[in-house]
Amino acid sequence: NAGVTQTPKFQVLKTGQSMTLQCAQDMNHNSMYWYRQDPGMGLRLIYYSASEGTTDKGEVPNGYNVSRLNKREFSLRLESAAPSQTSVYFCASSGQTAGQPQHFGDGTRLSIL
Amino acid sequence: GENVEQHPSTLSVQEGDSAVIKCTYSDSASNYFPWYKQELGKRPQLIIDIRSNVGEKKDQRIAVTLNKTAKHFSLHITETQPEDSAVYFCAASRSGNTGKLIFGQGTTLQVKP
Repeated sequence: NAGVTQTPKFQVLKTGQSMTLQCAQDMNHNSMYWYRQDPGMGLRLIYYSASEGTTDKGEVPNGYNVSRLNKREFSLRLESAAPSQTSVYFCASSGQTAGQPQHFGDGTRLSIL
Repeated sequence: GENVEQHPSTLSVQEGDSAVIKCTYSDSASNYFPWYKQELGKRPQLIIDIRSNVGEKKDQRIAVTLNKTAKHFSLHITETQPEDSAVYFCAASRSGNTGKLIFGQGTTLQVKP
């Protein structure tokens, strides 16, 4: 039982390059989330998906797009990477009903030069 | 909008002492309050959670208390150990069908041996 799996673990990009971060969960969860974590800023929600086929903006969606490919997979795309997007990105999943904890992946450490 | 304030941002205690972290939430409809521990370079992991129909919950050396009237909740760690050193995040969510959490800014706890 792997839980939430993110790929890649590390990536270095040049400004303007595009990239897709992958996330998959095997817990049969309906809801999935993408966060970014910067030093001293805590966890900020980028996008979330409450169920297969739906996505919604979070607190900091600008510069990102997402795709809920199926119930297991939720990807995050940077179309034109900027240095301000250098961060650690976490994917999480949870059950859809109220009062469900979120389970996090190991994160992707992304540097944009 | 929804907001969770967490204090203090840093906390340093001697091994064996107690540590208390406090959070205040703005949305009176919030009914689920998890706490996450994040060790350096690792994913956030759930350590304890409480629902609004309960005022206190304890699990060995950690406990959480909830005051719905004042809209605040606290994490209590007793007999602290060096391995308790980490960043702790509180969060809140309301009933609904998304499972979305609003996170506090985090508290860096240092336990000195």
